[in-house]
This record gives sequence, C-alpha cells and structure tokens, in this order.
Amino acid sequence: EAGVTQFPSHSVIEKGQTVTLRCDPISGHDNLYWYRRVMGKEIKFLLHFVKESKQDESGMPNNRFLAERTGGTYSTLKVQPAELEDSGVYFCASSYSGRAAGELFFGEGSRLTVL
Amino acid sequence: AQRVTQPEKLLSVFKGAPVELKCNYSYSGSPELFWYVQYSRQRLQLLLRHISRESIKGFTADLNKGETSFHLKKPFAQEEDSAMYYCALSTNSGYSTLTFGKGTMLLVSP
Repeated sequence: EAGVTQFPSHSVIEKGQTVTLRCDPISGHDNLYWYRRVMGKEIKFLLHFVKESKQDESGMPNNRFLAERTGGTYSTLKVQPAELEDSGVYFCASSYSGRAAGELFFGEGSRLTVL
Repeated sequence: AQRVTQPEKLLSVFKGAPVELKCNYSYSGSPELFWYVQYSRQRLQLLLRHISRESIKGFTADLNKGETSFHLKKPFAQEEDSAMYYCALSTNSGYSTLTFGKGTMLLVSP
C-alpha cells in the first residue's frame, strides 16, 4: 500500500509569513494525527482527526495553527503568522479505526524553518 | 500528565554486544507502551508494543509496572540496528495519541 505522504518535505519562510503543510494518509485510514518535533525536544502530539472531525486538538500550541481535513481524506496544517519557535519537523500519521492503539503509519515529515 | 523518559541520548556499542535502551514512564493509569524506530533516511515505524509480547528483529521489551519501565533489549547487536529509537506511551484505548520520549540514538560499530 502507498504510505503516508507529506508535502513539502522542507519549507523555509520568514517570520510573519504563512505556511501550509499537507498530509495524504493511507487510503482508508480514518484516523489522522499531526505531531511535531522541535529541535532537542520530544515528538509532541498536536491533534487527531477521525474522518473529517477533530477528535482531539489539545496539543495545538495556539490559534496561529489551523488544521483541516477535507472530506475525511487529506489534511492541511496552516501556520499563520509563523514565529521562530514554530521551526521543527511536522509529522503526519494515520491508522485504521479498528487498528490496535499505537500502530501508526508515519509520513517522512515536513521540516519547517522559520527565519 | 503522562511522561516518558529516555535517559540516554546516545548509546554506542560494538557488533555482537548486548544492548539495552532504557525507558521509564509516569502515568497513574494503565498505559500501553511502544517502541518506534527511525532508520537513516526512513520514516518512523512501529517496532514493537508491550501487549504483543513478541520479539521483532531480535528485540524484546517487558513492561515492568513496579519500576514503571519498558526497556528495549537485544542480546547481540547488529550494525543494521543503528537507528533512532523512541519509547512511546498511549493512554487511550483504541486511539493513538502517543506521548514520546526524546529518543535514543543507537550506534553499532563493526
């Protein structure tokens, strides 16, 4: 099966600009997760979609971050306006509804650098 | 709130030596524990989970609730085991909102 794909693989923007990251989960996966790894720190949960609905967005750092999942397929994560501390690697992961907890399929990540 | 601690940033061993990557957690309930691995230029992938009690690529991990630990072990390390290893915890049955440790880089030298 095709894996989780993320775009872009690397984005370099200036503080104050907007960036939109995209994630295409594995076909048929209802669950879609966004995680982020800031340099030197652990991978942190941002939010979780079940189909098109936000199941848990407790990890979203602030209202500069907006995530959507159109029609329960691909998802976008927009950062507007970007700040220096937003730099890091953003991971998307997906799983079936019936899959045992913890078995996530990750994308390769989108590296965001804010200058 | 739950927390996962991996005390070693880097673990360097020679091929054939035993390996133990440490993981401790804090959580008041009954967690589910996992090890994820990221090989060079590859994506993060599940290595094993405690409920399966299986051995993957020669690695095993036992959940010790008394010590709140989930250490990853392999009796004889191979060069291809070199990778970044992350211990992770889930508190929600059926969903995968994982809490990760900072990771341990394992380097296996010939």
